Amino acid sequence: EAAVTQSPRSKVAVTGGKVTLSCHQTNNHDYMYWYRQDTGHGLRLIHYSYVADSTEKGDIPDGYKASRPSQENFSLILELASLSQTAVYFCASRPDRGETLYFGSGTRLTVL
Amino acid sequence: KTQVEQSPQSLVVRQGENCVLQCNYSVTPDNHLRWFKQDTGKGLVSLTVLVHENDKTSNGRYSATLDKDAKHSTLHITATLLDDTATYICVVGVDTNTGKLTFGDGTVLTVKP
Repeated sequence: EAAVTQSPRSKVAVTGGKVTLSCHQTNNHDYMYWYRQDTGHGLRLIHYSYVADSTEKGDIPDGYKASRPSQENFSLILELASLSQTAVYFCASRPDRGETLYFGSGTRLTVL
Repeated sequence: KTQVEQSPQSLVVRQGENCVLQCNYSVTPDNHLRWFKQDTGKGLVSLTVLVHENDKTSNGRYSATLDKDAKHSTLHITATLLDDTATYICVVGVDTNTGKLTFGDGTVLTVKP
């Protein structure tokens, strides 16, 4: 069973502060993704990566940076958190682009 | 305009009843369509994937159909259980290079005793 672990489970941040969300997968998957989910809306892609030390912009990259220092780890960085970034963030991995995604349990971020 | 539309937005059924969830989409290309289940406060879990025109799949009490001409998919849940209470999300795979996916907003299903 694919395992994707996100940390922290929830976080409260102040406007203008720096936030780092972490994701770790133990299945040697090439592809990793960061999505945000807003209440009542579909997931939207922020950043993704298909190889270590490389990241790509998704559909809504503004205000976010990503880092893939190793195959297992993929981080999402909010340098200057804003109120509009309050959401649930999901990390996912997949072995190949045609295969299913394996999701983490999400990080609930509240920016005050 | 929403590219993947799901209906109904929410649905309440009694345990043991059957239900049908709908997904209409306008994105192209539509390489494949996948249904996910999301329990409250959890990540998404894949239920089934449809790839070809007029595909039909079955996974236990879950079955799904795809009509690529109509850009329409249905998810049938038979003999619902309380544990089926969740949000069901339709996802269309549109880019074979990046693996890009377009997500629907989901149907919130509540199964009552």
